[in-house]
Amino acid sequence: AQSVSQHNHHVILSEAASLELGCNYSYGGTVNLFWYVQYPGQHLQLLLKYFSGDPLVKGIKGFEAEFIKSKFSFNLRKPSVQWSDTAEYFCAVNARNTDKLIFGTGTRLQVFP
Amino acid sequence: KAGVTQTPRYLIKTRGQQVTLSCSPISGHRSVSWYQQTPGQGLQFLFEYFSETQRNKGNFPGRFSGRQFSNSRSEMNVSTLELGDSALYLCASSDQLAGGPRETQYFGPGTRLLVL
Repeated sequence: AQSVSQHNHHVILSEAASLELGCNYSYGGTVNLFWYVQYPGQHLQLLLKYFSGDPLVKGIKGFEAEFIKSKFSFNLRKPSVQWSDTAEYFCAVNARNTDKLIFGTGTRLQVFP
Repeated sequence: KAGVTQTPRYLIKTRGQQVTLSCSPISGHRSVSWYQQTPGQGLQFLFEYFSETQRNKGNFPGRFSGRQFSNSRSEMNVSTLELGDSALYLCASSDQLAGGPRETQYFGPGTRLLVL
């Protein structure tokens, strides 16, 4: 069965610090990979996605993620976080032949000024 | 384009009642999926509809059902509500074409259901 693991449940950073959130998935076939963000009181929004091609993908608000197939990983990075990045971040995967998204448990990021 | 809309936004029910939640996808999107979000279980897939047909179903009891109409709007029904059904129910739509590659899903604001 497919599964997604997010290693960090709660991350606390100061503004300007660098961010890396881990995501590993378990699935033997071809997958699409996503990072979604949920700001306080708002709905899930797509940060970035990987379908194929260049394994380094860039998303909105300065976020990027790298797909490493050999490690089944899709880690999210940002070189310098801002207070406005405070939110919950979800990694998700779906098999190429389904719209069923499997989500990780989420990482709560708090950024202090 | 307007985003995914869900009604109602908030709902309070008692155990044993049933509830129907509604979702209007982004204009032109034909695929609609439903998810349940709880603090304990996170985001879990309920089911997916495409062109009025259920294509995929998650591991939820038969009390959870859904349907999609010809205009792609979808409804989700939960019968005989239990306390554990309290959750945020999210709807997502995508513009995946029949037989085409899967596309990105866009989420609505959700319906927050409280079962007392």
